[in-house]
Formats: sequence, C-alpha cells, structure tokens
Amino acid sequence: DAGVIQSPRHEVTEMGQEVTLRCKPISGHNSLFWYRQTMMRGLELLIYFNNNVPIDDSGMPEDRFSAKMPNASFSTLKIQPSEPRDSAVYFCASSPNGLTGELFFGEGSRLTVL
Amino acid sequence: TQLLEQSPQFLSIQEGENLTVYCNSSSVFSSLQWYRQEPGEGPVLLVTVVTGGEVKKLKRLTFQFGDARKDSSLHITAAQPGDTGLYLCAGRGSSGSARQLTFGSGTQLTVLP
Repeated sequence: DAGVIQSPRHEVTEMGQEVTLRCKPISGHNSLFWYRQTMMRGLELLIYFNNNVPIDDSGMPEDRFSAKMPNASFSTLKIQPSEPRDSAVYFCASSPNGLTGELFFGEGSRLTVL
Repeated sequence: TQLLEQSPQFLSIQEGENLTVYCNSSSVFSSLQWYRQEPGEGPVLLVTVVTGGEVKKLKRLTFQFGDARKDSSLHITAAQPGDTGLYLCAGRGSSGSARQLTFGSGTQLTVLP
C-alpha cells in the first residue's frame, strides 16, 4: 500500500522565491498534518486539516505561510516569499483519526533557502 | 503549551549494551506515543500507551507510562546497530487543541557494532 507521498524531496531556492510543497495522504485517512523539523526546534505542528477543512493553523509561523487541501487526496504548503530561516524538513502526515490515532508520515521535503 | 523534554539528547553505545531514554513533562497526557525516525525518513510509530503505569513490550524494547501519565521511558535490551535512530515521544492532551500530538525534541541513539 502506498504511504504518504510528498514532493519534492529536496528543494533549493533563493530568498524571496515562492515555494510549494505537495502531499498526497493515505487514501481513507480523514486528517492531514503539516509539520516542520529543525535541529533547534524539533518537530513543530504547522497546521491540521480534518475532512479537508483547516482546524488549527496556530502553528503557521506568519502570513508568508499558507496551506490548502482542495480535496481528500491532495494538500499544499506554500511559502511566499521564502526566507533563509524557513530552511527545514517539512513533513506531511495523515491519520485515520487525527485526534486519537497513529500518524503516518511521509518522507519529508528538505527545503534550503539561500 | 505542553512541553515534553527528552533525555539524553544524544546517546552512543556499543552493540549489546542496555539503555533507557526518558520523556518528561509537567502536563498530564491522555496518551503517549513513541516514534523512531531514521535518516531521510519520517517518524514511524512504535507504540501507544494510554493507562498510567502501563508497560508494553516490543521485542527488545520496553515502554512504560508513568503512573501520573506525565512521563514515559523506553528501555532497549541488548541494543543492535539497527536500533540506531532518533526516538521521539509525543503526548496527547485531554481536550481541545491539546488533543493534538506534541512532540519531544528527541533522543538520537547510535549503536556501534
């Protein structure tokens, strides 16, 4: 069975450019999460969707970050404009029940902003 | 904000040794999960503990949830190089936004052959 699929795996961009990260959750999972992982701050929740609806975006750092989930099989995380401090590994995770169950993570998108 | 502190932050041991890593908080959790993350991959769930004092075993790994549901430990017996990875604990609160998982900072374990 296919797990959570993220793209791109690696992205190198220059400061000020727009970055779009993509995620395909596991079919049948109704919850989707975007996390950011850095050495300094560990794994931080950015935003959580339930049934395609954003439930909690309090972890989104600032207005430069936005996330959408137009349907049950696709989500995007966009950073515009990007800054060097946005460099991190961004993980998408899905869950059959976001508030009680296991999270299934993708392999992550490593973003480097120069 | 629920904070989870993990210790030690880094641990390097020889194959065959035993080890324990800790996950501590001042908050009470309705459940706690342990994940292992290998380089270039996302975290993978190892276990979920729910009841205070609960002990779960997964082959050479033993997980314990504290009686007060504020802390947890992971003990590995006879560690093997394949156990190398970042071990993350994640706690879930009882209500509202606290029901979302909060991750600890992790313990990076290296088992040398």
